[in-house]
Order: sequence, then C-alpha cells, then structure tokens
Amino acid sequence: ETGVTQSPTHLIKTRGQQVTLRCSSQSGHNTVSWYQQALGQGPQFIFQYYREEENGRGNFPPRFSGLQFPNYSSELNVNALELDDSALYLCASSHRDRGRTFFGQGTRLTVV
Amino acid sequence: QQQVKQSPQSLIVQKGGIPIINCAYENTAFDYFPWYQQFPGKGPALLIAIRPDVSEKKEGRFTISFNKSAKQFSLHIMDSQPGDSATYFCAASMNSGGGADGLTFGKGTHLIIQP
Repeated sequence: ETGVTQSPTHLIKTRGQQVTLRCSSQSGHNTVSWYQQALGQGPQFIFQYYREEENGRGNFPPRFSGLQFPNYSSELNVNALELDDSALYLCASSHRDRGRTFFGQGTRLTVV
Repeated sequence: QQQVKQSPQSLIVQKGGIPIINCAYENTAFDYFPWYQQFPGKGPALLIAIRPDVSEKKEGRFTISFNKSAKQFSLHIMDSQPGDSATYFCAASMNSGGGADGLTFGKGTHLIIQP
C-alpha cells in the first residue's frame, strides 16, 4: 500500500455536471499531482500542487482545477463534464526533493 | 506528441522466462526514469527507477538497463511468474523526479506470463 487514498472509488455523472474528487497524500509528502488515465492508455499529467499552489500543468483546459490543503490533502474539480472526461483519475504524492511518486488506487469517473 | 515511446504493446512469456520491455525518449532534459506496474482496477505501483548517471539498476527480480546515448531504457523481469502478469508503464521526468511537469508515461505493455 502506498498510503495515498482517493475517494470515491467510482462515480457516474451526467454531461455538463461538475465533479469533485478527493485525495489524501502519503505522510511526509509535500507535492500532489493528478493524472487522467483513459482506458488502455498511460496516465496523462493534469497538474501538480506544491505548498498549496499550482506549479505545473499538462495539456488540460481550465475547467480542470484543483486545491491542495495545509494537511497535503487535495481535490480535483472538473466543470462542464464531457463524455471524453470518462477515465480513471489518479492522485499521486511525492516529496519535492526525492522524486519517487506514489499513486492512489484511482477514481473511476463515468460521464453519461 | 508522444515523448516516451514504449514497446511492445503486448507480450506473452512462459513462466521462468525473461520479458523485456523497451522505452525510448526524445527530451534530453529527462533525468529520472521510473517503471510502474498496474493491475486491473488499481493505481500504478512504483517498481524501480533509474537516473542517467548509471547504466543498470537491479531491485529483486527487476532490472533497468539504460543507454543514455541512444536515449533508450528497458525493463527486464528475471524468473517471471504468473503473478507478474500486469500492465507495465515506463515514465520519464525532469529535475530528478521533482519537476513541475510531472511524469510523462509510455502507452504501456500488457504482459502475460503463462504457467
């Protein structure tokens, strides 16, 4: 077990709705990242938070946003859901200076 | 544009054999190369990682070979077991893994170890 926990494990939303996914980072880690993994593909980097600020973003639109809290927990928010947003969303935590990144079990989001 | 190319897409090996999965990268700024194992319905699990100052790293039955000049790296699984059947991903990142650009993943290799 990595110590990275995500909730919920599964979620079904309707196109146009908004969704919030939650993550609790591994103890001692100060950096959290979110990834989207479509079926049969590798994870794609969405963004990274360090010291409660976004400090890196992949090729995702602004309707993907996030928060990192002082206790290193994190949220991923997606507005105006589209069918193509259906995927496994992975939270990953790491210590900024040590490189090793650990993933949670993911939240399976289905948009209908 | 895919920055990390992984092959093969799928691989079947007999128990005890040595599956080899290959990855190639383009961005010379990458300096941290981890491998992840993923079972269905689970998140990726970190297996082993290497930095470009060494050509080989072993951890248990897993070995990474790294060729900096060719910009290629590979995963070898010694004495493979049916329990090793999973999808394997190579990845790369900058700033020794602490970069703000996250990990760039390959597309994955679906490995089956036959009993």
